[in-house]
Amino acid sequence: QQPVQSPQAVILREGEDAVINCSSSKALYSVHWYRQKHGEAPVFLMILLKGGEQKGHEKISASFNEKKQQSSLYLTASQLSYSGTYFCGTGGTGGFKTIFGAGTRLFVKA
Amino acid sequence: NAGVTQTPKFRVLKTGQSMTLLCAQDMNHEYMYWYRQDPGMGLRLIHYSVGEGTTAKGEVPDGYNVSRLKKQNFLLGLESAAPSQTSVYFCASAHGRPRGDTGELFFGEGSRLTVL
Repeated sequence: QQPVQSPQAVILREGEDAVINCSSSKALYSVHWYRQKHGEAPVFLMILLKGGEQKGHEKISASFNEKKQQSSLYLTASQLSYSGTYFCGTGGTGGFKTIFGAGTRLFVKA
Repeated sequence: NAGVTQTPKFRVLKTGQSMTLLCAQDMNHEYMYWYRQDPGMGLRLIHYSVGEGTTAKGEVPDGYNVSRLKKQNFLLGLESAAPSQTSVYFCASAHGRPRGDTGELFFGEGSRLTVL
C-alpha cells in the first residue's frame, strides 16, 4: 500500500523553509527520500531506519517516527536547485522492496 | 562505470504488440526492480528480483512478465500491449542491507513507452 505524502505541491521563495510529510498505514522498517527533476531519474537523498534515526543532506534533513509510522523531510533556506518532485519510499520489516508515495512537487522561485 | 542502463529509451507500440525492455547494471547488485511512473501516481512497483533466477510481483504486475537469467540483467516483457501501459518505466537496482532494507536504489534513465 502506497504511503501518503503531503502536501501534493508547494511553492516557495528562495530562502524559505518547507516540510514534506510521509505517512503509512503499515509498520515501517525504513523510509527513503528521493528527488526527481523533470525528465530525469529519481536521485537518492537519504535513508532512515527504524529507531528514531535522523539524517541530513546539506540543508535537507529528515526524521522518522516509527511509532506514528511517519517521516518528515525538512528543507531549510531553500535554493532554486531544490525544485523538483520529492518521493518518500517505505520498506516493511524484513522486506526487499521499496514502495513509493505519489510525490510532492516543490517549486522554488527567485 | 555505467550504473543502470535501460534500452530502449523510447518506443511506440500498437495495441496487441509485444516488446521487451532490458535493464542492465554493472554494480553487482543483488536486487533489481521495475517501476512505472504515471502523472499523479508516483512510482509504482511492477515486479522485482532479489537475486539471479528469482522474481516476485509488486503492486501492479498484471500484463507484465519479467526474467532474471543473469545477475546483471532484468527484463520486463509486455506480451500484448494495451494503451493503459503507456508510461515511463524505470529500472532500479540495490545492493541490499543485512536486515532487509533495500538500501539506496540506483535508477536508470527511464524508458518512455507509448501504446496506440
